[in-house]
Amino acid sequence: NAGVTQTPKFRVLKTGQSMTLLCAQDMNHEYMYWYRQDPGMGLRLIHYSVGEGTTAKGEVPDGYNVSRLKKQNFLLGLESAAPSQTSVYFCATHGGTGVAGELFFGEGSRLTVL
Amino acid sequence: AQTVTQSQPEMSVQEAETVTLSCTYDTSENNYYLFWYKQPPSRQMILVIRQEAYKQQNATENRFSVNFQKAAKSFSLKISDSQLGDTAMYFCAFMKHESGSRLTFGEGTQLTVNP
Repeated sequence: NAGVTQTPKFRVLKTGQSMTLLCAQDMNHEYMYWYRQDPGMGLRLIHYSVGEGTTAKGEVPDGYNVSRLKKQNFLLGLESAAPSQTSVYFCATHGGTGVAGELFFGEGSRLTVL
Repeated sequence: AQTVTQSQPEMSVQEAETVTLSCTYDTSENNYYLFWYKQPPSRQMILVIRQEAYKQQNATENRFSVNFQKAAKSFSLKISDSQLGDTAMYFCAFMKHESGSRLTFGEGTQLTVNP
């Protein structure tokens, strides 16, 4: 039982390049989230999804796009990477009917934009 | 919008002693939840403890307890009998009731337990 798996774990990009982070979960959870973690700023919500085929903006959505074509996968895309997007990205899930606020996190993906 | 503030970027404690981490928040909501999450060096975020705002009784989970002061909008975490494995970044988080479990996190406090 893998839980929440993020790929890739590490990536270095040049400014202007594009990439996609994949979050895959095997817990059949309805809700999925993408957070970014920066020193001194905690975790900030980028986008989230409350079910297959739905997405919504979080606190810091600019420069990112997401898709939830399958219930188990939540993709985070950077169309034109900028140095300000250097961060550690976390995917999280929630069952919808589980304990409110109990999120299950992936191990994070460290992205560096040069 | 809600804000969560952790004013202690770093703290340290000796093994077996007690330490308290501070958290304040700002909200106009009346129904909400508060959480403490732990992020050890492995980066895996783990829920430590949860408090529902309508409950006056402070939550406890083994060695972890909270001091929830609703009027003061304060939510501190007390770790008793600190263990080396408690070394981690601790995040305070806020969630509005029925918000789809969207959390607002504080800046984090890095706790080091010294042998």
